[in-house]
Amino acid sequence: DAKTTQPPSMDCAEGRAANLPCNHSTISGNEYVYWYRQIHSQGPQYIIHGLKNNETNEMASLIITEDRKSSTLILPHATLRDTAVYYCIVRVSLGGANNLFFGTGTRLTVIP
Amino acid sequence: KAGVTQTPRYLIKTRGQQVTLSCSPISGHRSVSWYQQTPGQGLQFLFEYFSETQRNKGNFPGRFSGRQFSNSRSEMNVSTLELGDSALYLCASSLVAVSTGELFFGEGSRLTVL
Repeated sequence: DAKTTQPPSMDCAEGRAANLPCNHSTISGNEYVYWYRQIHSQGPQYIIHGLKNNETNEMASLIITEDRKSSTLILPHATLRDTAVYYCIVRVSLGGANNLFFGTGTRLTVIP
Repeated sequence: KAGVTQTPRYLIKTRGQQVTLSCSPISGHRSVSWYQQTPGQGLQFLFEYFSETQRNKGNFPGRFSGRQFSNSRSEMNVSTLELGDSALYLCASSLVAVSTGELFFGEGSRLTVL
């Protein structure tokens, strides 16, 4: 699985959009981009995933560049409850097992 | 629908002892994965079970083992505990063996080794 690079920390004002970047320059054509987050002392929570196209769900939007070498997770209106560590993960979905490589993630702090 | 349940939530052991942790996946989920989380190493994959068979294993010594029962519940065991085994042990379940990436995690079992 390709490795990812994320900034160690970010701040975001409450109510504003939080844009969390992720670099995955060695991504292969059949690898998906997944985002999870972990709120302190809880298990990680799935947010969203995508292959090529941009994706949106009730939690967030995922923007993947055309060359697929980077992506951005967007939380449109950050709240204090969004303070967490966000993990960008790249892996093959089909044919693989659930051995996700989480990396160090980005610690997002939402400021009142 | 109940989530992933892990027991016990907290436990304290001493070096050399062994420990067994339990995980009940979401009803209908057949794949269970285990992860170890420590401040120094982050989240690391231990192993995954599907239909009572270990499908994949991370880079951990043989002291770490697991199993899955016919009802999909899983246990992991750590023998001859070391101080470095102090960690949060997380269990995750998914509906099928090859998931689209959506793993559902439990709250974890926090193990302290003295």
